[in-house]
Amino acid sequence: EAQVTQNPRYLITVTGKKLTVTCSQNMNHEYMSWYRQDPGLGLRQIYYSMNVEVTDKGDVPEGYKVSRKEKRNFPLILESPSPNQTSLYFCASSPLGTNTGELFFGEGSRLTVL
Amino acid sequence: GENVEQHPSTLSVQEGDSAVIKCTYSDSASNYFPWYKQELGKRPQLIIDIRSNVGEKKDQRIAVTLNKTAKHFSLHITETQPEDSAVYFCAASLNSGYALNFGKGTSLLVTP
Repeated sequence: EAQVTQNPRYLITVTGKKLTVTCSQNMNHEYMSWYRQDPGLGLRQIYYSMNVEVTDKGDVPEGYKVSRKEKRNFPLILESPSPNQTSLYFCASSPLGTNTGELFFGEGSRLTVL
Repeated sequence: GENVEQHPSTLSVQEGDSAVIKCTYSDSASNYFPWYKQELGKRPQLIIDIRSNVGEKKDQRIAVTLNKTAKHFSLHITETQPEDSAVYFCAASLNSGYALNFGKGTSLLVTP
């Protein structure tokens, strides 16, 4: 089944404790992206990647890191989480060079930073 | 960067009525305008999209119109049903689908 898989789905952590949210897609998509969703603010892009070893900042990259060492994986790293990073995070992927720009979203990861 | 404004933030209609959600964008170079639907507790999913070389696109009860001169686009849902209740997001992109900038969302409630 074609899908984008995120882990963990739910996480409660404390300020300053490094964490990684993994994202993996099995559709051989070149493009991958991370969004955060907050009430009243919609979906805001954190980072995106056009291909392996190519990453770019989105609108709200502060406090986050990403890497794209393999085509299928695009982990989101919070080196020193803070309470303002409490949010619902979505990973998404999309094929490049097709007639549609459809984003395929993962199920989301709800992160709480105390 | 691109700024996408979406109105209204909430919309309540009776079953069978039409619903219209409007978005404006700031960058005239934007060329791709998708709409996503997010049901409660679920992921966003694409329901319809339009490119800048097209003025209108329709898919059954859903249609999207684009006015490039005014830099706005709208989602039209006809004959609404309770299962249309969800949050709808518009988006715009300069790069045919990548680095999408989303509006803040419209919560649509369809009452029986």
